[in-house]
Amino acid sequence: GQQLNQSPQSMFIQEGEDVSMNCTSSSIFNTWLWYKQDPGEGPVLLIALYKAGELTSNGRLTAQFGTTRKDSFLNISASIPSDVGIYFCAELPQGGSEKLVFGKGTKLTVNP
Amino acid sequence: DGGITQSPKYLFRKEGQNVTLSCEQNLNHDAMYWYRQDPGQGLRLIYYSQIVNDFQKGDIAEGYSVSREKKESFPLTVTSAQKNPTAFYLCASSGDWNSPLHFGNGTRLTVT
Repeated sequence: GQQLNQSPQSMFIQEGEDVSMNCTSSSIFNTWLWYKQDPGEGPVLLIALYKAGELTSNGRLTAQFGTTRKDSFLNISASIPSDVGIYFCAELPQGGSEKLVFGKGTKLTVNP
Repeated sequence: DGGITQSPKYLFRKEGQNVTLSCEQNLNHDAMYWYRQDPGQGLRLIYYSQIVNDFQKGDIAEGYSVSREKKESFPLTVTSAQKNPTAFYLCASSGDWNSPLHFGNGTRLTVT
């Protein structure tokens, strides 16, 4: 089956620092999704990417769909304490949302 | 506001008892999903339903059952046959078969 490698597994940063995390896939896909999960809550969709090379921003978040269509990264600029949580990448292949494949997540800790 | 409601937030059961987790959505979404989340393992698909009165097994369906009698409701029963039921359970929905998922806030089930 598809493999989705997300790194790093965890990050400990100081407030104000920039953050970068990425995902790589063993296969080519058409849609990359980035979710954030606050502690004890459900994941919330941050950004969806639909085209190779696409660069999309949402406030302090920026995500890009790699040109090879096998990778994506998420950057967070000027981190704040409420950025704490687990960030998941996911691939949505053709053929149905039930085939959505999730990375194992990057756990972000922000020290004030 | 539209959304997905999972209840209860926390659930405690004795080993050997069946337990049903509730998931209701008012987004008018056709597709609904149940995921299980364990630390360090990401999200794993239990069951999904693309339309009322129809549902399919996901990757880890053993020990679980579902029903989809109404478009807005997709309850999950954790049966006594599930060998390791303690986990965080997430319900999700999507507008069509190839759209990003929207998640509820989860139910944490503890079986002792």
